[in-house]
Amino acid sequence: AQSVTQLDSHVSVSEGTPVLLRCNYSSSYSPSLFWYVQHPNKGLQLLLKYTSAATLVKGINGFEAEFKKSETSFHLTKPSAHMSDAAEYFCVVSSGGYNKLIFGAGTRLAVHP
Amino acid sequence: DSGVTQTPKHLITATGQRVTLRCSPRSGDLSVYWYQQSLDQGLQFLIQYYNGEERAKGNILERFSAQQFPDLHSELNLSSLELGDSALYFCASSVELAANTGELFFGEGSRLTVL
Repeated sequence: AQSVTQLDSHVSVSEGTPVLLRCNYSSSYSPSLFWYVQHPNKGLQLLLKYTSAATLVKGINGFEAEFKKSETSFHLTKPSAHMSDAAEYFCVVSSGGYNKLIFGAGTRLAVHP
Repeated sequence: DSGVTQTPKHLITATGQRVTLRCSPRSGDLSVYWYQQSLDQGLQFLIQYYNGEERAKGNILERFSAQQFPDLHSELNLSSLELGDSALYFCASSVELAANTGELFFGEGSRLTVL
């Protein structure tokens, strides 16, 4: 069965410092992996996706993630946080059924001046 | 703006009642997904429709049902409501049939409060 674990429920950083949001997955086959972001009172928006092409995936707003099969990880990073990055971030894995996505519990990112 | 419209944005009702949530997908998108987001369960997939036909079911209760109409809008019907049904219900749409090949575009959700 497929599953995804976000290792931190809350992350707090200062503006201008790097961001690291951690995600581990479990899958019995090569998965598709995604990061979605949810700003307050908004719907979710796709940041980036991995679908078995390049292992380093670049997304919107300066975010990127690296697929590491040996570590079953798909961590999200950004070199320099902005105040506008404050939101909840979801790591997502596709299930065995191609049209069912499994969402992690989310990581709430706070950015301080 | 994702292009996905959900109504109503907020809904307060009593236990035992029935409500209908409506979703208009992005223009051209044939797939509609319904998700439930609650504090204790997180984001749970409920059901998917593609071009009017049900294509996948997730953790949807028997008290809940959905349909997609010829104009591609979708409705989620929740009946015999319980306190535990209080949640944010999201609709998402995509061009693709398969959720793992493309991007899902989410609406802003319908917040249901059951008192």
